[in-house]
Amino acid sequence: DAGVIQSPRHEVTEMGQEVTLRCKPISGHDYLFWYRQTMMRGLELLIYFNNNVPIDDSGMPEDRFSAKMPNASFSTLKIQPSEPRDSAVYFCASSLGTNTEAFFGQGTRLTVV
Amino acid sequence: GEDVEQSLFLSVREGDSSVINCTYTDSSSTYLYWYKQEPGAGLQLLTYIFSNMDMKQDQRLTVLLNKKDKHLSLRIADTQTGDSAIYFCAPSSASKIIFGSGTRLSIRP
Repeated sequence: DAGVIQSPRHEVTEMGQEVTLRCKPISGHDYLFWYRQTMMRGLELLIYFNNNVPIDDSGMPEDRFSAKMPNASFSTLKIQPSEPRDSAVYFCASSLGTNTEAFFGQGTRLTVV
Repeated sequence: GEDVEQSLFLSVREGDSSVINCTYTDSSSTYLYWYKQEPGAGLQLLTYIFSNMDMKQDQRLTVLLNKKDKHLSLRIADTQTGDSAIYFCAPSSASKIIFGSGTRLSIRP
């Protein structure tokens, strides 16, 4: 398996535009996590799914953020409308089950200007 | 909610030992992980310890856990330039893993 695959690697967009980040987890992993990393706040858990169902979205900053997992091999994180303070590196991770190692993608570096 | 605290920076001389400390609040954590993040990359699992252990050694790495004080540490013996990275403490609670802010380890010649 190629590991967790995220796209795009880099995204630069203008304030107010919609941004969609994509993630393909490792095949067979039941859990998928979205994290955001900034210098100020470190690595924050935004939302996670179990078997494609959102379990905890308490970390999603506000209604401008939404995440979906239409099937076991694909998830999206959408920001609409985007703001400069959303600039960060967004990581997707997947794991086999509870209390097991999480495997991370390479991240998407988002810059909102 | 859960909270994980780490120092932001640590600088050590090449060949010395590095000790990275972490405190956490969730006493129900069953697995406690250390992840390493190299520049421009995602996080990779370095080592972990079960909550019923107080020490684990893995080559140059030693993990110490004081469950009563909710304190976790990672010791890297004979620190090398390749150890330069950000190290994250990550207690696992139920299904999710909560990360600390990360400690940026830099190596002096």
